[in-house]
Amino acid sequence: DTEVTQTPKHLVMGMTNKKSLKCEQHMGHRAMYWYKQKAKKPPELMFVYSYEKLSINESVPSRFSPECPNSSLLNLHLHALQPEDSALYLCASSQTGTGENQPQHFGDGTRLSIL
Amino acid sequence: AQKITQTQPGMFVQEKEAVTLDCTYDTSDPSYGLFWYKQPSSGEMIFLIYQGSYDQQNATEGRYSLNFQKARKSANLVISASQLGDSAMYFCAMRGINTNAGKSTFGDGTTLTVKP
Repeated sequence: DTEVTQTPKHLVMGMTNKKSLKCEQHMGHRAMYWYKQKAKKPPELMFVYSYEKLSINESVPSRFSPECPNSSLLNLHLHALQPEDSALYLCASSQTGTGENQPQHFGDGTRLSIL
Repeated sequence: AQKITQTQPGMFVQEKEAVTLDCTYDTSDPSYGLFWYKQPSSGEMIFLIYQGSYDQQNATEGRYSLNFQKARKSANLVISASQLGDSAMYFCAMRGINTNAGKSTFGDGTTLTVKP
């Protein structure tokens, strides 16, 4: 079992829907990440939260809206997505956001399909 | 800028044999960390092993070891006694103390298939 929990595991939504992805960790980590991953490709960083503040936004379209309600929770709100947004969305955490010696701990991911 | 290169898109190994997955890197950071992650077809990304740039010894974790050659800028993953459950995609990644703080740079990955 992973220490980072993501829900739901699978999500199918239409282009006009609004949905949210959730991520939770109880390791006391202070940095949390969202990644997008296409099949057979490396993960692409979307957002980084460090100490509950957004520290990195990799020029992600505004139809993706991250939220960090507290140090254990990370949400990704989705609205008016496009078919090309279909992918595996991975959440990760690390002790802090900037240490070069800190591994990231990933969740199982949410497989998102846009109809 | 940081760069990770994994030159083997796919690798095959016989069960119980050892296999080496290659990773070379480039960075201008004076201190950096190198990581290997395993991603089975189910999707979760699993952290395997870490090597710090100033570590004198090669890292080991169970059947995984990291062959770190700093002068050659290589950080190859060695898996001993391969098992069927080792079949997965493997990513080499790095984080630097200065460059792109907060970000990890990933290689394109190597798909390992273990044959019975």
